[in-house]
Amino acid sequence: GESVGLHLPTLSVQEGDNSIINCAYSNSASDYFIWYKQESGKGPQFIIDIRSNMDKRQGQRVTVLLNKTVKHLSLQIAATQPGDSAVYFCASPPGRRALTFGSGTRLQVQP
Amino acid sequence: DTAVSQTPKYLVTQMGNDKSIKCEQNLGHDTMYWYKQDSKKFLKIMFSYNNKELIINETVPNRFSPKSPDKAHLNLHINSLELGDSAVYFCASSQGISGDTQYFGPGTRLTVL
Repeated sequence: GESVGLHLPTLSVQEGDNSIINCAYSNSASDYFIWYKQESGKGPQFIIDIRSNMDKRQGQRVTVLLNKTVKHLSLQIAATQPGDSAVYFCASPPGRRALTFGSGTRLQVQP
Repeated sequence: DTAVSQTPKYLVTQMGNDKSIKCEQNLGHDTMYWYKQDSKKFLKIMFSYNNKELIINETVPNRFSPKSPDKAHLNLHINSLELGDSAVYFCASSQGISGDTQYFGPGTRLTVL
């Protein structure tokens, strides 16, 4: 069935290092992807998105890479900070409807 | 100036009771959603309304009934609560109906005893 999933449930990095969070999707027709960050006790918060006509998009300290050939996207966070500790989700709206979320990756930043 | 707000933030109740969760957005969006997040952090769509009309109704027990009095509000009423209903419920809104960027509320943690 259709799914948007993540490779690693938990990622632990040192403060100042770069973080890479991966996501795989199964629907070749997916043309829009969004990364969300969810801090403890809060709702998911939009970070960055990318459309299928792009393979890279940069924001402030974050970069999303999309590889349509292998149906994979990644979120790169530069100079990871303690405030980046959260659960990160990739999501996609299948058939242009509500979002389908992956199971999330917990990012832990060690001081 | 909260964009998407939900009340209550915590809800503890006995099995068999009926409860409601309210959601309001002041973003001027046309579409609102309810998601359920289980203990493993998995987020799943339940309902979606566009301009007060139901457009998505996933496989959810009919004990759950959403109501949208206007496009800025989407409430969730749950009848005959069961233990398995315990979860965090998130309301969200977006400008269009295409599942584009959604803005989430803070969540309501429902605990059924």
